[in-house]
Amino acid sequence: QVTLRESGPALVKPTQTLKLTCTFSGFSLDTGGMSVSWIRQPPGKALEWLARIDGDDDKDYNKSLKTRLTISKGTSENQVVLTLTNMDHVDTATYYCARMQPFDPSNSLDYWGQGTLVTVSS
Amino acid sequence: SYELTQPPSVSVSPGQTASVTCSGNKLGDKYVCWYQQKPGQSPVLVIYQDHKRPSGIPERFSGSNSGNTATLTISGTQAMDEADYYCQAWDSSTDWVFGGGTRLTVL
Repeated sequence: QVTLRESGPALVKPTQTLKLTCTFSGFSLDTGGMSVSWIRQPPGKALEWLARIDGDDDKDYNKSLKTRLTISKGTSENQVVLTLTNMDHVDTATYYCARMQPFDPSNSLDYWGQGTLVTVSS
Repeated sequence: SYELTQPPSVSVSPGQTASVTCSGNKLGDKYVCWYQQKPGQSPVLVIYQDHKRPSGIPERFSGSNSGNTATLTISGTQAMDEADYYCQAWDSSTDWVFGGGTRLTVL
């Protein structure tokens, strides 16, 4: 059974750095074709893809946010970490991590975490 | 950057067929996925590779993609299908791109 769970602060101040952890089970990043993405959704708005990492440590970033984003494997083999620097009110959103369906040419996201709401406020 | 355009809202009567469109330049040359998101819940993949259904997704959900438009079709729409629907495509220049979402209302 594949599960993902996001964890991190619910509230951050403007200019601070956000660090979120995705803890997953039921699959291994080291298995061929596996990768994990981060996606966010501001309240009442659309989904926005942020970043992806695979078992070979290959990474992709949303080009409009690339200078502020870092995705990495966590200290545990079943974790992926996302950091977003210089937080602003417009970064207030629910942040999701999701697994990319392996070997799917459409790069679909087949399992999602429950999401964590991050509010940026002083 | 690559953009996907969806109508903000679509209405359908119970038992009828609902069509949700997603438009993008030469979208038919890419694979499209569709996600269903109900209020307060995480998105759920309902269609991938244009027309394939993940395990557990009812047969009334189908998809197509040609030219500049992809379409999610829900046949015999039920009240439980009321949700927001997002299309997604992968493009080599912008990676994952989502549409703006369509609110499906079952009247």
